Amino acid sequence: GAVVSQHPSWVICKSGTSVKIECRSLDFQATTMFWYRQFPKQSLMLMATSNEGSKATYEQGVEKDKFLINHASLTLSTLTVTSAHPEDSSFYICSASGPQETQYFGPGTRLLVL
Amino acid sequence: DAKTTQPTSMDCAEGRAANLPCNHSTISGNEYVYWYRQIHSQGPQYIIHGLKNNETNEMASLIITEDRKSSTLILPHATLRDTAVYYCIVRVGLYGGATNKLIFGTGTLLAVQP
Repeated sequence: GAVVSQHPSWVICKSGTSVKIECRSLDFQATTMFWYRQFPKQSLMLMATSNEGSKATYEQGVEKDKFLINHASLTLSTLTVTSAHPEDSSFYICSASGPQETQYFGPGTRLLVL
Repeated sequence: DAKTTQPTSMDCAEGRAANLPCNHSTISGNEYVYWYRQIHSQGPQYIIHGLKNNETNEMASLIITEDRKSSTLILPHATLRDTAVYYCIVRVGLYGGATNKLIFGTGTLLAVQP
């Protein structure tokens, strides 16, 4: 139980394009989901908290207009990286708040912007 | 949320118990201790959590000192597949929303040796 999926698992795109990443809780409903970013040899950095039916809460220093988050249902949150640039290349990981408010993580999406 | 301190790295022989320490001397009375691990290029995996009592599940045991200022994660019989970065995180639990966010430190890289 408590499985979270992400799609795609990896994506390569050209500079200036937008990329959408999906995060789904497969066997539970999640009012709250979270988006993290991880650069090589670094720890996970929380980007934003996504609440179903309301606006996301962004961490300090994260541009909300660049990283658009939508949490339209209790099992799906999406992160759109708009006008991606090479410095946005990273490992993007989502998590969903499941039973006992424990966070369960997706497998991650590796983004490479050329 | 309280900060945690973990050793940067540890080695363990395959088949032996791995004991991973964590200091959280500023932990508050309503903060839980959570352990996650991240195997290379994957999303973090939930291991166990506790408030003040020792906890055990199919993956590991969590020993929390009586004053709650430190804890130890025990993998009873480490295998090569347990090689990962282990994160100890303290967090206010069971309230929902932004208070559930996890702040990751640098963790302990556990290397299980054959």
